[in-house]
Amino acid sequence: AQSVTQLGSHVSVSEGALVLLRCNYSSSVPPYLFWYVQYPNQGLQLLLKYTSAATLVKGINGFEAEFKKSETSFHLTKPSAHMSDAAEYFCAVTSYSSASKIIFGSGTRLSIRP
Amino acid sequence: SQTIHQWPATLVQPVGSPLSLECTVEGTSNPNLYWYRQAAGRGLQLLFYSVGIGQISSEVPQNLSASRPQDRQFILSSKKLLLSDSGFYLCAWSVGVGTEAFFGQGTRLTVV
Repeated sequence: AQSVTQLGSHVSVSEGALVLLRCNYSSSVPPYLFWYVQYPNQGLQLLLKYTSAATLVKGINGFEAEFKKSETSFHLTKPSAHMSDAAEYFCAVTSYSSASKIIFGSGTRLSIRP
Repeated sequence: SQTIHQWPATLVQPVGSPLSLECTVEGTSNPNLYWYRQAAGRGLQLLFYSVGIGQISSEVPQNLSASRPQDRQFILSSKKLLLSDSGFYLCAWSVGVGTEAFFGQGTRLTVV
């Protein structure tokens, strides 16, 4: 079975500081990995995805993530945080063997300090 | 372009009442369809997914059921709601195995 673990339910950074949100996955087959962002009382919006091409994936709003097979990680980063980045972030995993299931982590709430 | 519609946006229902949440997708054929529930501090829990008409996979035994009467329609139901059914319900679709999901705006269900 596949799973994702997001370390830290809440992360707080200062505006302009580096954002690092952690995601580790478990999968016995090559995974496809995603990061989503959710603003209050809204659905989820795709930030970026890894589908076995380049290991460094760039997404919207200046975010990027690096797939590291040896560490089973797919951490999300942004060099300089903006106030508008305050939201909930979810990591998700699927694969060709998952019968179309997409499994999400428990989420990390990102707060930005002025 | 593809769009997903989910309604209602908010719903307050008494304990023991029935539930029907509807989700429709436009602009694509034979999508994979999903129902997720989001409870405070618990992330997104996959409830049901469907890869075709009449094909429903249930992930968690619970007081809910799902149906897919048409290719692009996915319905979440309950015969008798429990307090524990309160939460934010999200419908989503994808084009196939190994692809990302696209989400509706969600339904906030409060059971009182």
